Amino acid sequence: GQQVMQIPQYQHVQEGEDFTTYCNSSTTLSNIQWYKQRPGGHPVFLIQLVKSGEVKKQKRLTFQFGEAKKNSSLHITATQTTDVGTYFCAGSNNNDMRFGAGTRLTVKP
Amino acid sequence: NAGVTQTPKFQVLKTGQSMTLQCAQDMNHNSMYWYRQDPGMGLRLIYYSASEGTTDKGEVPNGYNVSRLNKREFSLRLESAAPSQTSVYFCASSWKDAKNIQYFGAGTRLSVL
Repeated sequence: GQQVMQIPQYQHVQEGEDFTTYCNSSTTLSNIQWYKQRPGGHPVFLIQLVKSGEVKKQKRLTFQFGEAKKNSSLHITATQTTDVGTYFCAGSNNNDMRFGAGTRLTVKP
Repeated sequence: NAGVTQTPKFQVLKTGQSMTLQCAQDMNHNSMYWYRQDPGMGLRLIYYSASEGTTDKGEVPNGYNVSRLNKREFSLRLESAAPSQTSVYFCASSWKDAKNIQYFGAGTRLSVL
């Protein structure tokens, strides 16, 4: 079945440093979504990518969808303490959506 | 805007006890989902309901049952709780299917002793 792998599992950065998390699927995806979960909270939708090679930006966050629609990345420029949390990718194919294990980001002020 | 509401927020059970986790959404969504979240394993789908009157197994359905009571409500039942079911449970809903944005409830933290 479809599997979604996400790396790294943890990332600790100094405030102001950049951060990237990567998501890879074993199968071609119809779309990929990214969610953020604050400590003690629930996942909250960030963005959805649908087209091959698509790039979307939300302020300091840049999301990319690979040309083959099997991988994606989330890049945060100049992290802030408010970026702390776990970032999940979720890949969809044939009405089946699988979440990656998430990347837990901690930011040292 | 209530969104997705889960009850209870916390629960402690003894092995063998049963309980039902409740979930309701007020967004008129067709699809609803139950996930469990364990450290290092992300969100794993237990069961989902694509529309009122239908339910299907997800990735980890063993030990659970679900009921889509109506369009708004989707409950998860543990008939005989086991320590391996200690987890955080999230209910979610989406407009049509898994390709759509999912909206999550606040979660239920369950401990089985």
